[in-house]
Amino acid sequence: DTAVSQTPKYLVTQMGNDKSIKCEQNLGHDTMYWYKQDSKKFLKIMFSYNNKELIINETVPNRFSPKSPDKAHLNLHINSLELGDSAVYFCASSLTDRNQPQHFGDGTRLSIL
Amino acid sequence: KQEVTQIPAALSVPEGENLVLNCSFTDSAIYNLQWFRQDPGKGLTSLLLIQSSQREQTSGRLNASLDKSSGRSTLYIAASQPGDSATYLCAVIEGTQKLVFGQGTRLTINP
Repeated sequence: DTAVSQTPKYLVTQMGNDKSIKCEQNLGHDTMYWYKQDSKKFLKIMFSYNNKELIINETVPNRFSPKSPDKAHLNLHINSLELGDSAVYFCASSLTDRNQPQHFGDGTRLSIL
Repeated sequence: KQEVTQIPAALSVPEGENLVLNCSFTDSAIYNLQWFRQDPGKGLTSLLLIQSSQREQTSGRLNASLDKSSGRSTLYIAASQPGDSATYLCAVIEGTQKLVFGQGTRLTINP
């Protein structure tokens, strides 16, 4: 199936740990994004990559480091996890055209104990 | 700074009714506006995208309108069905393809 896929779907870990979330798209898109949905369901952009180049970085703590090995993958690594990092993280992708819709993965629910 | 507001926050209607969801944005310098649907525990499904030069878009029972100058969009759902129950999000695209989201309207259609 053509899609944006994220792994894992659920991630439960302790404060202070380092974890990664992977994202892959097979839609042939050249732009990928990470969004965070907080406990109040508010969605906010974190990062955007176009052809492996960072183009959006929205005031995110430097404990969060995106990595794009190729234009079909955008992984999110988080160091020294804090309680406030608990949220649902969504990956999305689109063509480099503001009039093309963004397609979202199913999200990764991160819970910090 | 762009702010997107959706009213109402929640809406419950009987099956078969037509309904309108509202979205407003503070900065009219947008490229387009996108309506999404989010089911519990799921990602977002794109419903309609209206380019800034367009006034409306239709897909099946859904019709979205855009009045860029007044900073408003509406999503009209005709003949609502229980399967339409979900959270509906609007988002505007500005600058470098950054989506700015509203907080959503939680819609419940009662059989």
